[in-house]
Amino acid sequence: AQKITQTQPGMFVQEKEAVTLDCTYDTSDQSYGLFWYKQPSSGEMIFLIYQGSYDEQNATEGRYSLNFQKARKSANLVISASQLGDSAMYFCAMREGAKGGGNKLTFGTGTQLKVEL
Amino acid sequence: NAGVTQTPKFRVLKTGQSMTLLCAQDMNHEYMYWYRQDPGMGLRLIHYSVGEGTTAKGEVPDGYNVSRLKKQNFLLGLESAAPSQTSVYFCASNRQGQETQYFGPGTRLLVL
Repeated sequence: AQKITQTQPGMFVQEKEAVTLDCTYDTSDQSYGLFWYKQPSSGEMIFLIYQGSYDEQNATEGRYSLNFQKARKSANLVISASQLGDSAMYFCAMREGAKGGGNKLTFGTGTQLKVEL
Repeated sequence: NAGVTQTPKFRVLKTGQSMTLLCAQDMNHEYMYWYRQDPGMGLRLIHYSVGEGTTAKGEVPDGYNVSRLKKQNFLLGLESAAPSQTSVYFCASNRQGQETQYFGPGTRLLVL
């Protein structure tokens, strides 16, 4: 079974609108972490946001927020007030197990976001 | 700080040739990782290291070897390249106890 599932291969959003990118995960661990990375066309991987499994509040970083629903095993990324520069591939990733011993990440297949005028 | 750097940026190999990819970080991070990214797939972990002199297998280790002789460097070796190893290779690192992994710019490898 897929550990990280991103069901939206591509998404379009109008500039200044909000957009939600979906991510569901599968793990039996109690301690885990969820991440979102952005990959623009230039190819680099840019860290956006992190949510720990024990964090009670949803993580926020500027225009990015992570809608964490533990019971549903979902960790959706919300981008508010989209900008043209947000056009990129977005990856959801998970770190299973406790910290230490290396933070091995499992990635989803990504969602290509296109922001339009 | 240069962060995480990778050498080379791009390489073309013939089947059966060998090569080494170099990853260097100047952030004194304990943990380092090698991932590969193929079209339509997310990144997959090849090997990782939790400290100088230690390495461990990730999800797709076959056909690769690694070494971490110095804390700041993590080498990925292909002893006999195959077309299936055509990919973009990313190195990453993070400090022990820190969640965020910092990625290098990637190395594009084409095996003919």
